[in-house]
Amino acid sequence: EAQVTQNPRYLITVTGKKLTVTCSQNMNHEYMSWYRQDPGLGLRQIYYSMNVEVTDKGDVPEGYKVSRKEKRNFPLILESPSPNQTSLYFCASSLGRGDEKLFFGSGTQLSVL
Amino acid sequence: ELKVEQNPLFLSMQEGKNYTIYCNYSTTSDRLYWYRQDPGKSLESLFVLLSNGAVKQEGRLMASLDTKARLSTLHITAAVHDLSATYFCAVDPYNNNDMRFGAGTRLTVKP
Repeated sequence: EAQVTQNPRYLITVTGKKLTVTCSQNMNHEYMSWYRQDPGLGLRQIYYSMNVEVTDKGDVPEGYKVSRKEKRNFPLILESPSPNQTSLYFCASSLGRGDEKLFFGSGTQLSVL
Repeated sequence: ELKVEQNPLFLSMQEGKNYTIYCNYSTTSDRLYWYRQDPGKSLESLFVLLSNGAVKQEGRLMASLDTKARLSTLHITAAVHDLSATYFCAVDPYNNNDMRFGAGTRLTVKP
């Protein structure tokens, strides 16, 4: 089954404790991205990647890191999480041809205490 | 700065009624997407509109795109409870799937 898999689904952590949210897709998609969703703000893009070893900042990259060492994986890293990073995070992927819809993961609800 | 504005942000309607959700965007984009999100769930694609004048319909939903006016509409016909969800529009200004989303319209359809 074609899918984008995120883990974990829920995560509670404390300020400053490094964490990684994993994202994997099995559709051989070129394009992958991370969004955060906050009430009233819609989805805001954090980082995106057009291909392996190619990553770019989105609208709200501060406090986040990503890597794209393999085509299927695009982990989101919070080196020193802060409470303002409490949010719902979505990973998404597509063929990246510019005319294709995004496929979304099931989301990760992160709480930073 | 690219802006994608949806209105209304909240919509409560009776079953059987019609209504339209609007999506305005501030920069040139030939592509516009509509997504649906059920409470506590992820987003799923509804429509992909790829040119000026594009119109797509599925069931009780119809989406259209006017690139000159930088406006897309999502029209709901004879609403039913199952349509209750949050609807997002998104534009792709660089034609590379680097999408920017509106804030979403939370639709509630009441019996």
